[in-house]
Amino acid sequence: QKEVEQDPGPLSVPEGAIVSLNCTYSNSAFQYFMWYRQYSRKGPELLMYTYSSGNKEDGRFTAQVDKSSKYISLFIRDSQPSDSATYLCAMSKGTNAGKSTFGDGTTLTVKP
Amino acid sequence: EPEVTQTPSHQVTQMGQEVILRCVPISNHLYFYWYRQILGQKVEFLVSFYNNEISEKSEIFDDQFSVERPDGSNFTLKIRSTKLEDSAMYFCASSESRAGSTDTQYFGPGTRLTVL
Repeated sequence: QKEVEQDPGPLSVPEGAIVSLNCTYSNSAFQYFMWYRQYSRKGPELLMYTYSSGNKEDGRFTAQVDKSSKYISLFIRDSQPSDSATYLCAMSKGTNAGKSTFGDGTTLTVKP
Repeated sequence: EPEVTQTPSHQVTQMGQEVILRCVPISNHLYFYWYRQILGQKVEFLVSFYNNEISEKSEIFDDQFSVERPDGSNFTLKIRSTKLEDSAMYFCASSESRAGSTDTQYFGPGTRLTVL
């Protein structure tokens, strides 16, 4: 069983839709949760991070963590074509986010 | 906006050859990292580096790999004797202080390594 499971998609939505991206994990030691966006031929770009259960909002993005269910989500409101990318979840066991375990990534396409 | 840079963007080498991948982290950052991403697979942590020594490394980072900060700006990853399975995108990242606090890890654009 993978430590982090992420549906690779692909996911295609119309512009303006709400997008829900999800990851599950098996290791309860994970404490630090991150979402990255990766455009083709580019490095991952950190979108959001959380360190506890609950919601965290930043503009059109909301990160949600449910530690009891070992489930994290990223919601994108009013999706735009520029949001088309691969979204990676990542998590770590302590304060060193460098030693992160990544999901496989979900490829999202937002159609105009 | 400051950014992490990596050179070369693409490196082709013969199996058994040594390669050095170069990174210039953001200037005031203190923590440096290497990750790799094999085509179609997930991003994998290789090593973290702070204060001129390795902080942590993964099981992938075996004796064939080494890292160095040869001067005040560059951070390098050396693979001594490349294998076919080393073919991947290699990403350098840096953060201002210990990652896991409120600091962001900034990733470079990557070096695509192809081992023939």
